[in-house]
Amino acid sequence: AQSVTQPDIHITVSEGASLELRCNYSYGATPYLFWYVQSPGQGLQLLLKYFSGDTLVQGIKGFEAEFKRSQSSFNLRKPSVHWSDAAEYFCAVGAGTGTASKLTFGTGTRLQVTL
Amino acid sequence: GAVVSQHPSWVICKSGTSVKIECRSLDFQATTMFWYRQFPKQSLMLMATSNEGSKATYEQGVEKDKFLINHASLTLSTLTVTSAHPEDSSFYICSAIAGGQADTQYFGPGTRLTVL
Repeated sequence: AQSVTQPDIHITVSEGASLELRCNYSYGATPYLFWYVQSPGQGLQLLLKYFSGDTLVQGIKGFEAEFKRSQSSFNLRKPSVHWSDAAEYFCAVGAGTGTASKLTFGTGTRLQVTL
Repeated sequence: GAVVSQHPSWVICKSGTSVKIECRSLDFQATTMFWYRQFPKQSLMLMATSNEGSKATYEQGVEKDKFLINHASLTLSTLTVTSAHPEDSSFYICSAIAGGQADTQYFGPGTRLTVL
């Protein structure tokens, strides 16, 4: 069975600083990997996804993530954080050929941005 | 595009009553919808997968008789929590897959259920 680990429960960064959120996965085959952001009162929004190809994936809002098979990681990065980025971030791995069915989520990382 | 709504956004009910939560895809047809449950400060746990016109597939440990799922149309799925108890209090989130975009789930804003 697949699993996702997000080691950091809570991270605080200053506005304008760089950000890296860690995600490690366990999956027997080539994983389908996702990062979602959840803001209060809003649904989960897809930031980016990796299925195959280039291991550095660009997403919305200036986020990117790098798939490293050797480390079973899919860390999310942003070079300069904005106050509006404060939210809960979830990494997820999908099972099922060619689909996002049966997503398994990590426990999430809450990002706080200080001004 | 790809907007999913849920109604109600929050509900409070008495123990023993049933509560229905609706999940709608507003601008696309959803061949598959998912229902998740999220406990405070925890991750989303998949409860069931529903395909339009067929019975839902429940994850291990989820009581199908307690959590009734109906996906009668390509834009609507409902989750009914029957005979609710305080331990059913949680945040319920649905997601939907568009027919031509099977690789991405679009999530609703969630429904906060509190059972007194």
